[in-house]
Amino acid sequence: AQKVTQAQTEISVVEKEDVTLDCVYETRDTTYYLFWYKQPPSGELVFLIRRNSFDEQNEISGRYSWNFQKSTSSFNFTITASQVVDSAVYFCALSETFSGGGADGLTFGKGTHLIIQP
Amino acid sequence: DTGVSQDPRHKITKRGQNVTFRCDPISEHNRLYWYRQTLGQGPEFLTYFQNEAQLEKSRLLSDRFSAERPKGSFSTLEIQRTEQGDSAMYLCASSETDRGDQPQHFGDGTRLSIL
Repeated sequence: AQKVTQAQTEISVVEKEDVTLDCVYETRDTTYYLFWYKQPPSGELVFLIRRNSFDEQNEISGRYSWNFQKSTSSFNFTITASQVVDSAVYFCALSETFSGGGADGLTFGKGTHLIIQP
Repeated sequence: DTGVSQDPRHKITKRGQNVTFRCDPISEHNRLYWYRQTLGQGPEFLTYFQNEAQLEKSRLLSDRFSAERPKGSFSTLEIQRTEQGDSAMYLCASSETDRGDQPQHFGDGTRLSIL
C-alpha cells in the first residue's frame, strides 16, 4: 500500500530564513507521481508542483525548490528567504497508476504547518 | 477563470439527518474526486468519477455515503443518517484527464458539523 510521511508536524522560522519540508513516500509501483500542495488559512488546497517517478531532476521556481531522490524515496521542498505569506500547511501527496495508465486518488501526508514569524 | 465550486460552504445538522453536497468541477475536466479532511490530517480519498462513471470507492465510503455524477458534469455527495464522526471538511477536486501527472484542482470544501 502507498504511504506518505511528513515527519515535521510544525516548523516555525523567522522571516527570510530558509526552510526545508521533508516528505518520504512508500509505493510498490515503478510509475508514480508526487505532488506538493499548499493549504493557507483560507482552506483551499493550492497545487504547487508535480514530479513523475522517471524524472529525478530537481526543480526551482522562484523561491521554491524541490529535491526528488528516488534512492531514499524522498521529495523534499525548500523555501528560500521565507516570507510571512508562506505561512500555511503544506502537503506532500502520491499518486500511483493502474495498469490502464490512469491514476487513482491522491494519498496525502499529514501535512507540515509552517509558521513564518515577522 | 472559474475553479472548482462547492456548495454549501458550511453545513450544520443534527445527528441522524441526511445531507447532500454539490461540486461543480472546472469546465471540461472529466475526472472528479471526493476527499474528506479532518482537523490536523491530510485529505483522505473517498471516490472518483471518470465522466459519469464512478470508478473507485475507498473503504472509508460506508454504505451511508453515496456519490453521483449523472451527466458527467457536477457531482453530489450524500450522507444518510449522519453520525458525529462524519464531521469533517469534504473536498472536491477535478483534473483534466486520467493521466496521473495531471494535477487535481481543489475547491474550497464543504465543512460539515454534526450536532
